[in-house]
Amino acid sequence: AQKITQTQPGMFVQEKEAVTLDCTYDTSDQSYGLFWYKQPSSGEMIFLIYQGSYDEQNATEGRYSLNFQKARKSANLVISASQLGDSAMYFCAMRLALYGNKLVFGAGTILRVKS
Amino acid sequence: GAVVSQHPSWVICKSGTSVKIECRSLDFQATTMFWYRQFPKQSLMLMATSNEGSKATYEQGVEKDKFLINHASLTLSTLTVTSAHPEDSSFYICSAPFRYSGSGKTQYFGPGTRLLVL
Repeated sequence: AQKITQTQPGMFVQEKEAVTLDCTYDTSDQSYGLFWYKQPSSGEMIFLIYQGSYDEQNATEGRYSLNFQKARKSANLVISASQLGDSAMYFCAMRLALYGNKLVFGAGTILRVKS
Repeated sequence: GAVVSQHPSWVICKSGTSVKIECRSLDFQATTMFWYRQFPKQSLMLMATSNEGSKATYEQGVEKDKFLINHASLTLSTLTVTSAHPEDSSFYICSAPFRYSGSGKTQYFGPGTRLLVL
């Protein structure tokens, strides 16, 4: 079964500090993609970062990096130098190449940045 | 990045009426679009895959006669909630896949539509 697990319902982080949001996945496919999206209170889904299953290096996009550990089937998001505007819901998702490129989402983690 | 628009952003309607939600890819073509539903503080649940020129593919448990999907062109997909009832009140959001880098193909999401059925 294809599944994404986010075990942290909520997280707090002090402004300017780094935070790691956990994500583990389960798939028997060899080819897949892993994504992180940010959803602020407005509801829009903002694409943050992507990691392909065959990518050897961890993806980075500005303050976002994805700690990809394939053997452990984990794809944790690291946000460096947290800002107040980072407060939002964060979703980890997996693209299923064999299923029309559909996305399967985790339950999400609410991040609150404290000043 | 790619832009996906959705209209309307808010809709309040009476029980029994039908509501149409539009999803447009503004600067790229999308032969496939996806429709999701999200309840407060929950994750996104895929409802159906909209295919240009053919029938939509619905996820298990989603009533296709209740949620009509039409992919009229390469830039427009519509979701019609027929005979809406209060339990249909939710946040509906569409997305379209777009290749943004050599190996990366992500989905770009519309801003969503909040539906409230009274």
